[in-house]
Amino acid sequence: EPEVTQTPSHQVTQMGQEVILRCVPISNHLYFYWYRQILGQKVEFLVSFYNNEISEKSEIFDDQFSVERPDGSNFTLKIRSTKLEDSAMYFCASNPRTSGKEQFFGPGTRLTVL
Amino acid sequence: SQKIEQNSEALNIQEGKTATLTCNYTNYSPAYLQWYRQDPGRGPVFLLLIRENEKEKRKERLKVTFDTTLKQSLFHITASQPADSATYLCALMYSGGGADGLTFGKGTHLIIQP
Repeated sequence: EPEVTQTPSHQVTQMGQEVILRCVPISNHLYFYWYRQILGQKVEFLVSFYNNEISEKSEIFDDQFSVERPDGSNFTLKIRSTKLEDSAMYFCASNPRTSGKEQFFGPGTRLTVL
Repeated sequence: SQKIEQNSEALNIQEGKTATLTCNYTNYSPAYLQWYRQDPGRGPVFLLLIRENEKEKRKERLKVTFDTTLKQSLFHITASQPADSATYLCALMYSGGGADGLTFGKGTHLIIQP
């Protein structure tokens, strides 16, 4: 069964450094999303992406964040200058648009900012 | 802003019994209400979706109800098994557009005891 994949599974970085988290959504899906989950807290929406542009973003998704679909398969989240409070699990998700509203989540990337 | 409350942080149920989880929200009703399962260190997995004009949905041992007057959804697992132990997340989607991010509750940690 097709699934969303994410790399790396765990990323450790120093405060102030840039990180890029990578996702490969399910191949025929058209909507892509990023969420984060700080340890012990709820899953929070960051951004949605459709037709090569941002469709919707939350208050969390400020100028430090950007998303890109550089080719036909990858979908990336970049954090320009990481802060301690960016430490969280980051989930990518996708939706086929043609049927249903459910979102298919990847296994996540654990980001640790030191 | 919208607030979502799930009935308790942890719920212990004897194997074979029905587990009932609650999701309450404030303010306006979503177009869709979804339930996801999350295992430790993993991404959410979609279980069931119910529309605002539907009262009940079933899938195998799972049942979800939606009462827009009470602003509440109930999620039932019948004939519960230890393998059902996980955190269950309620998620709201406010419009039917695919770009919508999901607004999640904090989840209920369900433990099914043999």
